[in-house]
Amino acid sequence: GENVEQHPSTLSVQEGDSAVIKCTYSDSASNYFPWYKQELGKRPQLIIDIRSNVGEKKDQRIAVTLNKTAKHFSLHITETQPEDSAVYFCAAVITPFRTGNQFYFGTGTSLTVIP
Amino acid sequence: DSGVTQTPKHLITATGQRVTLRCSPRSGDLSVYWYQQSLDQGLQFLIQYYNGEERAKGNILERFSAQQFPDLHSELNLSSLELGDSALYFCASSVQAEAGGYNEQFFGPGTRLTVL
Repeated sequence: GENVEQHPSTLSVQEGDSAVIKCTYSDSASNYFPWYKQELGKRPQLIIDIRSNVGEKKDQRIAVTLNKTAKHFSLHITETQPEDSAVYFCAAVITPFRTGNQFYFGTGTSLTVIP
Repeated sequence: DSGVTQTPKHLITATGQRVTLRCSPRSGDLSVYWYQQSLDQGLQFLIQYYNGEERAKGNILERFSAQQFPDLHSELNLSSLELGDSALYFCASSVQAEAGGYNEQFFGPGTRLTVL
């Protein structure tokens, strides 16, 4: 089955600096890669996603890159703010035609933005 | 508020017992997913239902089962509970076309299960 590794497990940055979180996956059938943000005591929320036919996607201060050949994808947060502090999860999703979606999550990165 | 509701919010029970967690998806969403989040294992996908039918399985134990009813609400049944089953259980729902593919899923607030 799919195996997703996520690094680093913890990350501290100064406010205004950039943060990068990296994930690798093993199954080339994975074709969808969402990123979730989970604040303490709250539910995960989708912040950005990328499909396998796209190499990069950006939404304001957040960007995701995907290298299908190397089987890795990364989350980039620029100009970090204290409210970016949370746990971030990557996922690799296999979405076969006419069947269900199989989700495989990374182990999470706890990001702390220091004011 | 995502529009996904889960009950109960908290559940405390003893080893060997059985519990049922309930999820109501957002209005119009046909697909429901269940996840387990524990401290040492992160977020794990358990199972997906689409319009009453099981569609995908993740790391769901045989002691666990789920179903989705005609009104689209879903229940996750956990039996012969062990201490290690203590976790936060989330459900999520999404609009999903019959032909497959993926749409954003919206998570419920979760049910915190404590097994003593």
